Amino acid sequence: DTAVSQTPKYLVTQMGNDKSIKCEQNLGHDTMYWYKQDSKKFLKIMFSYNNKELIINETVPNRFSPKSPDKAHLNLHINSLELGDSAVYFCASSPTTTRRGYGYTFGSGTRLTVV
Amino acid sequence: DAKTTQPPSMDCAEGRAANLPCNHSTISGNEYVYWYRQIHSQGPQYIIHGLKNNETNEMASLIITEDRKSSTLILPHATLRDTAVYYCIVRLRPSGGGADGLTFGKGTHLIIQP
Repeated sequence: DTAVSQTPKYLVTQMGNDKSIKCEQNLGHDTMYWYKQDSKKFLKIMFSYNNKELIINETVPNRFSPKSPDKAHLNLHINSLELGDSAVYFCASSPTTTRRGYGYTFGSGTRLTVV
Repeated sequence: DAKTTQPPSMDCAEGRAANLPCNHSTISGNEYVYWYRQIHSQGPQYIIHGLKNNETNEMASLIITEDRKSSTLILPHATLRDTAVYYCIVRLRPSGGGADGLTFGKGTHLIIQP
């Protein structure tokens, strides 16, 4: 079983469209995240979310919105896609209890290409 | 979270030990050192973390200097599959513990040569 799974793996879409990327984790973690990795390979956090708080990186445009139907899912919805949104998006999760050896678990990424 | 400095790239021969250094001179007493790696086109993968003592698991060993201002990740017998970007991250909490994520730097691109 894949611990953190993202769909789709690849997404090609036109400018101006609205799209969603889905993320599911089966680890029982309380907190989930979205990261963006641009063409220069820098990994930057976009959002972190648990059932109590949503923290948004202030540099993220409000066209991006996380939606969490339940604790195991954090989807990323993007409105009015722009060329600069092309990147690889990674979902991740982590426990909030400090158990030894536990770190963040990442999904395999969604490569978004806006044309 | 304290800032870290890593060399941009390193080479290592297959079968030899790969030693990846990380400087974190501004680390505070309750900050942990984490190591992650990202193999091409995959999501980052947790390797190991530590506070003060040296740590070892099935993937690697982590050596932290006594003053905690630097650390070294050791892959004891590097294989071609260890070619990846390795990130050294310093943060307050040893795992999730609050919705504030990880801050990734540029990391070290480790290339294992056959």
